[in-house]
Amino acid sequence: DGGITQSPKYLFRKEGQNVTLSCEQNLNHDAMYWYRQDPGQGLRLIYYSQIVNDFQKGDIAEGYSVSREKKESFPLTVTSAQKNPTAFYLCASSNHGQPQHFGDGTRLSIL
Amino acid sequence: AQSVSQHNHHVILSEAASLELGCNYSYGGTVNLFWYVQYPGQHLQLLLKYFSGDPLVKGIKGFEAEFIKSKFSFNLRKPSVQWSDTAEYFCAVIPFSGNEKLTFGTGTRLTIIP
Repeated sequence: DGGITQSPKYLFRKEGQNVTLSCEQNLNHDAMYWYRQDPGQGLRLIYYSQIVNDFQKGDIAEGYSVSREKKESFPLTVTSAQKNPTAFYLCASSNHGQPQHFGDGTRLSIL
Repeated sequence: AQSVSQHNHHVILSEAASLELGCNYSYGGTVNLFWYVQYPGQHLQLLLKYFSGDPLVKGIKGFEAEFIKSKFSFNLRKPSVQWSDTAEYFCAVIPFSGNEKLTFGTGTRLTIIP
């Protein structure tokens, strides 16, 4: 079955540590996205990529970094500069103008 | 930049009641509109979408939404809700400008009482 796989499902970060969240899709979608979901705030866009080797900042990119070396992969790194990283992170993919398909999410917590 | 407003943060209904969730967006150009649903413990799923044509669109599980361009609205409706409709509902907008940024509303939590 085609879909989006996010791993791990739960992740814990120590102070000052960078962590990387994985997102892989086998839907052959050109565009991929990372969102952060916080209670009462809905989904906020962190980064998105419309094509391999290119990506743009979303609304809350500070403290995060991404890469898009392969079409099917769009990993997100939460750096130590992100002061409030505890959240639920969602990855999505789509083709131009089409609805986005979402992964199951990664819940990141601080130790 | 576009924005999406969902004014109902938490809605509580009894089974068989009718549902209408509000969604308003701000963007002057052509848009594609979506409603997504997130059931407890599950990932976001597409409920329905509007691209063009008939402004009344029907989605899965008996949901429908009406696009009213003059009001910049895309309200979600269901004539008779079920306990299994308990979930969080998100309205989303993407402009037709070539910028692929999808903007979400803050979501509406729907609780159905059996």
